[in-house]
Amino acid sequence: EAGVTQSPTHLIKTRGQQATLRCSPISGHTSVYWYQQALGLGLQFLLWYDEGEERNRGNFPPRFSGRQFPNYSSELNVNALELEDSALYLCASSLGLETNTGELFFGEGSRLTVL
Amino acid sequence: GEDVEQSLFLSVREGDSSVINCTYTDSSSTYLYWYKQEPGAGLQLLTYIFSNMDMKQDQRLTVLLNKKDKHLSLRIADTQTGDSAIYFCAETYNFNKFYFGSGTKLNVKP
Repeated sequence: EAGVTQSPTHLIKTRGQQATLRCSPISGHTSVYWYQQALGLGLQFLLWYDEGEERNRGNFPPRFSGRQFPNYSSELNVNALELEDSALYLCASSLGLETNTGELFFGEGSRLTVL
Repeated sequence: GEDVEQSLFLSVREGDSSVINCTYTDSSSTYLYWYKQEPGAGLQLLTYIFSNMDMKQDQRLTVLLNKKDKHLSLRIADTQTGDSAIYFCAETYNFNKFYFGSGTKLNVKP
């Protein structure tokens, strides 16, 4: 069974541009979480989608947005890129409200570099 | 809550035990987790503990939870070079948000 897949693996943009990152959850998973992993800062919670709805968002500006599609895949959009947006963006999926343990299954991440 | 703290580095010799510590602030946390991140890979769940438990053992892994002090630890017995990775603790109250620590980089010397 395929795990969580993310694309692209690497992305290089310049300040002010927009970036779009994509995530396909494990089959049967309805929840998708997005995290930013900047150097030395651990994982910072960005967004949680479940059943197509945004359920929660972290302390990030509105230029970080996303959506979840009917097939439960998701995309993260970052507008007006700033240098400090350079990070590894991790997507995780789970069974959502059907979960018993809350286990998150992570993709390998998309490395965004802003020049 | 959002403050989950871990020390950044731990270095041990192969065969020794490793103890990775974590403190959290949200006393209403219901599940606490340990995830492992190997180089170039995403995080993978190692083990979890429910908040009404004090200890959980799974082969070489022992998780201790001190709810009074909001302290979580992961002990790896007979640490191997393959255990070298970054270890993250995480907590959640209702699977709504998961808060992660900054990760502890474990270096196992042969």
